[in-house]
Amino acid sequence: QVQLQESGPGLVKPSETLSLTCTVSGGSISGYSWNWLRQPAGKGLEWIGRIYIGGGTNYNPSLKSRVTMSGDTSKNQFSLNLNSVTAADTAVYFCARASSGTYYVFDYWGQGTLVTVSS
Amino acid sequence: QSVLTQPPSVSGAPGQRVTISCTGSSSNIGANYDVHWYQQLPGTAPRVLIYGYTNRPSGVSDRFSGSKSGTSASLAITGLQAEDEADYYCQSYDSNLSGALWVFGGGTRLTVL
Repeated sequence: QVQLQESGPGLVKPSETLSLTCTVSGGSISGYSWNWLRQPAGKGLEWIGRIYIGGGTNYNPSLKSRVTMSGDTSKNQFSLNLNSVTAADTAVYFCARASSGTYYVFDYWGQGTLVTVSS
Repeated sequence: QSVLTQPPSVSGAPGQRVTISCTGSSSNIGANYDVHWYQQLPGTAPRVLIYGYTNRPSGVSDRFSGSKSGTSASLAITGLQAEDEADYYCQSYDSNLSGALWVFGGGTRLTVL
């Protein structure tokens, strides 16, 4: 059973960089697309971007200038960096796997981690 | 404002049938991109209910079903149960002049009366 676990600071100051890591267990990160999504309190889901290990990255156009994702196959982890954060970036951040094959559906999710942007 | 439009809330009594709509446009559902549905219980991560408009993952009750019509998709839940009370989200892919990305509806809160 694939499991994902987000980790990182729960509090980030405005204008600084939000950094999160997702550790994957129960399967290799190779051969799949790994995604970051977020959900502000009481609001809907927003896709931030994805990394396909060995194949590159794609980012939400609205966040592209501030986002960087990377992967580490030796640790079976992938990471998110979001720079120049503001209060609008306060949200629960999820990492999720997209299934391989015909459908790009998020089939495994982490439990989510709350990141608050505040001084 | 979400790219995909869902009603903010629906409700029904136990045993009844409810439907949740997801309306898109020519750059997403109308462009024949797939629609998937997720259920999110309070304080938890979303889980897949329906993928590829009509397919159910193993372990999902057959009380949940999906359909498509033009630039819209729908999720139907029959035989409502108290445990169905949750938020439901549709997801698709959108490609336009601004770029391409995976998009969600704003979510629908289901209340079981």
